Amino acid sequence: AQSVSQHNHHVILSEAASLELGCNYSYGGTVNLFWYVQYPGQHLQLLLKYFSGDPLVKGIKGFEAEFIKSKFSFNLRKPSVQWSDTAEYFCAVNAGAGNMLTFGGGTRLMVKP
Amino acid sequence: DAGVTQSPTHLIKTRGQQVTLRCSPKSGHDTVSWYQQALGQGPQFIFQYYEEEERQRGNFPDRFSGHQFPNYSSELNVNALLLGDSALYLCASSPGTGIEKLFFGSGTQLSVL
Repeated sequence: AQSVSQHNHHVILSEAASLELGCNYSYGGTVNLFWYVQYPGQHLQLLLKYFSGDPLVKGIKGFEAEFIKSKFSFNLRKPSVQWSDTAEYFCAVNAGAGNMLTFGGGTRLMVKP
Repeated sequence: DAGVTQSPTHLIKTRGQQVTLRCSPKSGHDTVSWYQQALGQGPQFIFQYYEEEERQRGNFPDRFSGHQFPNYSSELNVNALLLGDSALYLCASSPGTGIEKLFFGSGTQLSVL
């Protein structure tokens, strides 16, 4: 069974700092990769997804992620964070048939104004 | 256009009781999945319903059961509640069983005392 690891559980940044959140998965076959964001009290929202093609994926709100197949990684980046990016971020993997997602444990990001 | 709606938003039960959570999918969606999100963890897949049948199931005991109605809405039932069942229960809907357009609800927070 696949698993997803997010190594940073809590990240604190100042506004305008650059962000990189790590995500590694364990699955040898073809995968679909996702990053979701969960703002306090709100539902999970899709930031970006990778199915195939260009391994550098751009999403909403200035976020991007790079799929590195050899490293089984899908790290999330943003050049300059804002206070409004304070939220919890989840990496997720879909492998095989159906739409079951396997989520990482999440990274709680706090951006100080 | 309403998104995925879940009811109730909060629920308190005691050990041994049974609980039913409800989900109405986004308009145009016919597939419903349920996830459990324990505090400080990522969501874990419980099961998926399509055409009123359970199609996929995660690693959850038989105490967790579900149902899908002809109007595509769904219920999650948990019997013999344990303290460890305390969690946020998320419903996600999609058009068909593919992964491309998965939308999450805001969840039902279940507390078991």
